[in-house]
Amino acid sequence: EVQLLESGGGLVQPGGSLRLSCVASGFTFKNYAMNWVRQAPGKGPEWVSIISGRSGDGTSYTKYADSVKGRFTISRDDSKNILSLQMNSLRAEDTAIYYCAKCTYRTGCHGLYLESWGQGALVTVSS
Amino acid sequence: QSVLTQPPSVSAAPGQKVTISCSGSSSNIGSDFVSWYQQIPGTAPKLLIYDNDKRPSGIPDRFSGSKSGTSATLDITGLQTGDEADYYCATWDRSLDTGVFGGGTRLTV
Repeated sequence: EVQLLESGGGLVQPGGSLRLSCVASGFTFKNYAMNWVRQAPGKGPEWVSIISGRSGDGTSYTKYADSVKGRFTISRDDSKNILSLQMNSLRAEDTAIYYCAKCTYRTGCHGLYLESWGQGALVTVSS
Repeated sequence: QSVLTQPPSVSAAPGQKVTISCSGSSSNIGSDFVSWYQQIPGTAPKLLIYDNDKRPSGIPDRFSGSKSGTSATLDITGLQTGDEADYYCATWDRSLDTGVFGGGTRLTV
């Protein structure tokens, strides 16, 4: 059974930093692209970032929503089955539940087909 | 303002059918598959439909999806009170090179 467990959420002041982690189990983590999706209070989901599985030359690609580009960094540790999201220069509008979500392919998520989601980690940006 | 447009709400009586629409453009729905997610308040979104019209195992055949051009629809037949939730369409936008969700539709049964 696929399990995704996020951690690292909390209260942070505007301009601060936070690092989210997502521990994956129940599947061969390195073979799948992974995403972060967030949901602000009372709003719909917003796609945040994707990281592909590593290709034959050992590289992964990453993509970001414009709203977080240059401030957030997605990464993965395939040896520990951990997906991470480093969030810097946080703003009030970054307040949301952050979900990690699994694609069905190593190279990406066509049709934003996210077959498994974690339970989410709450990030609150406030002074 | 979401890239994909959905009606804010729909309602129907138990046992009836409801259709939820999702309108996009040539750079998103028109050029990629569509997924649909169901979200009961307080829980994570759950995959309902992928590749326009396919159901993951465990999803009843009361839920069906279709796509035509730059629009997609989710049909739910034999409505049950347990279907009350928020429904979101999603796809990849090739111009933005990002994932995109619709604004969501609240279903009341």
